Amino acid sequence: KAGVTQTPRYLIKTRGQQVTLSCSPISGHRSVSWYQQTPGQGLQFLFEYFSETQRNKGNFPGRFSGRQFSNSRSEMNVSTLELGDSALYLCASTLLAGGTGEQYFGPGTRLTVT
Amino acid sequence: AQTVTQSQPEMSVQEAETVTLSCTYDTSESDYYLFWYKQPPSRQMILVIRQEAYKQQNATENRFSVNFQKAAKSFSLKISDSQLGDAAMYFCAYRSGNTDKLIFGTGTRLQVFP
Repeated sequence: KAGVTQTPRYLIKTRGQQVTLSCSPISGHRSVSWYQQTPGQGLQFLFEYFSETQRNKGNFPGRFSGRQFSNSRSEMNVSTLELGDSALYLCASTLLAGGTGEQYFGPGTRLTVT
Repeated sequence: AQTVTQSQPEMSVQEAETVTLSCTYDTSESDYYLFWYKQPPSRQMILVIRQEAYKQQNATENRFSVNFQKAAKSFSLKISDSQLGDAAMYFCAYRSGNTDKLIFGTGTRLQVFP
């Protein structure tokens, strides 16, 4: 079974631009979560989606948004990029939201904002 | 709000020896899960071990075991017979029972010396 895939793997953007990152969960998984990892702030939760509905949102500004499609694939968008948005963005998928299911992480998208 | 604290930024161990990584957490919830994740230089997050709060028995996975002290809100990871491949960042994480949102500690960098 294929793992969680994230595209693109690496991205360089300029301040003020916007970016869209994609996450394809393991086949059959319906829950997707997103995390931002930076040296200064560590690993921080961004969003959690299940069956196209956002169940949880982390403490990030409105420039960060996301969505989930009917096939469970998820995208996150960051508008008006700032230097501080440079980070590794990780997504994880689970069979069902909550419960005892294990979360499987993707390899991440490394975003650099210049 | 729930918090996770890892007080050891770095640890080192000799190959074949045993090392213990510490983690404490704070919560008022009764339904939750605790995890240890490993993040090698590739940045791929790998689940090492998990513990359901309602289980009194400490979880064990091969060379990895935990010491779960619920009353003290402590969740340490013991790695026995350390191997060079165990070198990585280790993150302790908390998850409430009804969500996939993970709350991570700041991590412990483990070095393994031959």
